[in-house]
Amino acid sequence: DAKTTQPPSMDCAEGRAANLPCNHSTISGNEYVYWYRQIHSQGPQYIIHGLKNNETNEMASLIITEDRKSSTLILPHATLRDTAVYYCIVRVGGNKLVFGAGTILRVKS
Amino acid sequence: NAGVTQTPKFQVLKTGQSMTLQCAQDMNHEYMSWYRQDPGMGLRLIHYSVGAGITDQGEVPNGYNVSRSTTEDFPLRLLSAAPSQTSVYFCASSQTGHGYTFGSGTRLTVV
Repeated sequence: DAKTTQPPSMDCAEGRAANLPCNHSTISGNEYVYWYRQIHSQGPQYIIHGLKNNETNEMASLIITEDRKSSTLILPHATLRDTAVYYCIVRVGGNKLVFGAGTILRVKS
Repeated sequence: NAGVTQTPKFQVLKTGQSMTLQCAQDMNHEYMSWYRQDPGMGLRLIHYSVGAGITDQGEVPNGYNVSRSTTEDFPLRLLSAAPSQTSVYFCASSQTGHGYTFGSGTRLTVV
């Protein structure tokens, strides 16, 4: 079973920041949080991952709460091409990724 | 650098037929996995491998076999296809501490 909970859908205005929340209250101390997205029926695309500290790359920022029970993925300036299903995943043992249902993000002009 | 290559992209099988879905990566990644995705749902892990010669079951392994004789290849075998195996299949690979790279998928229909 997925160890994360995400809202089923969210809307965001083009050019604004998209903040996608994720709850992972049962996360263990050495488990990483990963974010992926899937556009249409393409293969999932890796976005970012983190353990304790906040992380930033060219695509997004990841904010992890101090107790590590939740995180937020931030797309700073959403575009129409960011419309996708976003998956928050806790990596379990053996480098396995167990996907949940994800959040459908709709970016609107 | 091709990344993760899956073949075929599309396949139609009759019930009871067997076939192998191919997956190859050229990034020297240790970890490889197979997922299936049914319409409107997330991905479910079928089998995975942490290195050549080592495989293990995921969430939905029944009806599928895998082997990992080389680092590069991780084929998925359907032993006796059933309509319930109609799905999109994704192969993925990764290195320790990094995200997975996914292939473009194989769309399988079993009639």
